Amino acid sequence: AQSVSQHNHHVILSEAASLELGCNYSYGGTVNLFWYVQYPGQHLQLLLKYFSGDPLVKGIKGFEAEFIKSKFSFNLRKPSVQWSDTAEYFCAVSPGNTPLVFGKGTRLSVIA
Amino acid sequence: NAGVTQTPKFQVLKTGQSMTLQCAQDMNHNSMYWYRQDPGMGLRLIYYSASEGTTDKGEVPNGYNVSRLNKREFSLRLESAAPSQTSVYFCASRRDPRNEKLFFGSGTQLSVL
Repeated sequence: AQSVSQHNHHVILSEAASLELGCNYSYGGTVNLFWYVQYPGQHLQLLLKYFSGDPLVKGIKGFEAEFIKSKFSFNLRKPSVQWSDTAEYFCAVSPGNTPLVFGKGTRLSVIA
Repeated sequence: NAGVTQTPKFQVLKTGQSMTLQCAQDMNHNSMYWYRQDPGMGLRLIYYSASEGTTDKGEVPNGYNVSRLNKREFSLRLESAAPSQTSVYFCASRRDPRNEKLFFGSGTQLSVL
């Protein structure tokens, strides 16, 4: 079965620090890749997605992610985090036409 | 534009009680999904419906049943609730099961005592 691994359970950063959250998946074929964010008390919202083309994908709120096929990775980055980025971040993979498989999430806490 | 609407938002049940979680979308999406979210476990797929008239089991289907009532509505039923089903439940939909993003409802927080 497909699986998605997010390496960090909880990340604590100071404002203006750079962020990189790791995501690896186990499926060997063509996949669609997503990062979702869940702000406290809210439902999941799409940050960015990769289907094909340029492996460097830019999303909302200054986030970007790079798809590295050889490493089965889709890491999320942001050059300078803000307090408002405090949330839980989920990587998700959709192999072909099957439902999305989510990672266990990474909780990001940004402190002033 | 309502998107994906779930009811109820909160529910407390006693062990053995039954209930149905309702979900409706107004975006003419073909595929609908039920996930549960537990701390440290991420989102796990319970059941999904790739298109009207079809339903399939996901990763954690035991103790649940679903009905795709029509293209808009996809309900999740707990026949005999257990404490292990205490969770936050999210309904989601997307137009195309192949590569479209998911749209999520606001969730149902369920506690089973």
